[in-house]
Amino acid sequence: AQTVTQSQPEMSVQEAETVTLSCTYDTSESDYYLFWYKQPPSRQMILVIRQEAYKQQNATENRFSVNFQKAAKSFSLKISDSQLGDAAMYFCGIGGVGSQGNLIFGKGTKLSVKP
Amino acid sequence: DVKVTQSSRYLVKRTGEKVFLECVQDMDHENMFWYRQDPGLGLRLIYFSYDVKMKEKGDIPEGYSVSREKKERFSLILESASTNQTSMYLCASSPISPGQGRAEQYFGPGTRLTVT
Repeated sequence: AQTVTQSQPEMSVQEAETVTLSCTYDTSESDYYLFWYKQPPSRQMILVIRQEAYKQQNATENRFSVNFQKAAKSFSLKISDSQLGDAAMYFCGIGGVGSQGNLIFGKGTKLSVKP
Repeated sequence: DVKVTQSSRYLVKRTGEKVFLECVQDMDHENMFWYRQDPGLGLRLIYFSYDVKMKEKGDIPEGYSVSREKKERFSLILESASTNQTSMYLCASSPISPGQGRAEQYFGPGTRLTVT
């Protein structure tokens, strides 16, 4: 079984500053993927970034980067130079290679960005 | 761009009604999913399908059924709607085959269902 825990229900950041959202997970699979999805107030969820578990290098996508600590089963998301448009719910998720595409999501972190 | 569309953004139904939520994707994806989203609970998988006429139960299938007669369309059915099924329903699709759980899921805009 796979589980995902997001321990921060809400976070707040000042515009232009950096914020880190936490995520821990548990899985019995040897090969898996980790994801961060963003859900803005309009409700359409979009993929922000993903990490292949077999890769040691942390994934980055522009202002978004992850800190993947495989031994600790930790997968945090760092948002640099925060913008007002980053305000959203952020969901961490895990998918197993052996599964049929199923993802397990955390409960989400609501990020507010203050101007 | 991948497009996943859902038939309604907002829906209000009465207790006991049969409710159909429709989802259509335009990218020939094999897998399709139905989730419900509730505050403090995140996304929970109701059903998924990896091929036409194929379906698998997710974590919370009770009170729901699904239909996939065509590859691009995946329907969620509430046989007899109840107030505890008031929720946001999200459809998603992904371009993978069974046994290859790597791909990104593409989500629709969601249907906010209220059962009174």
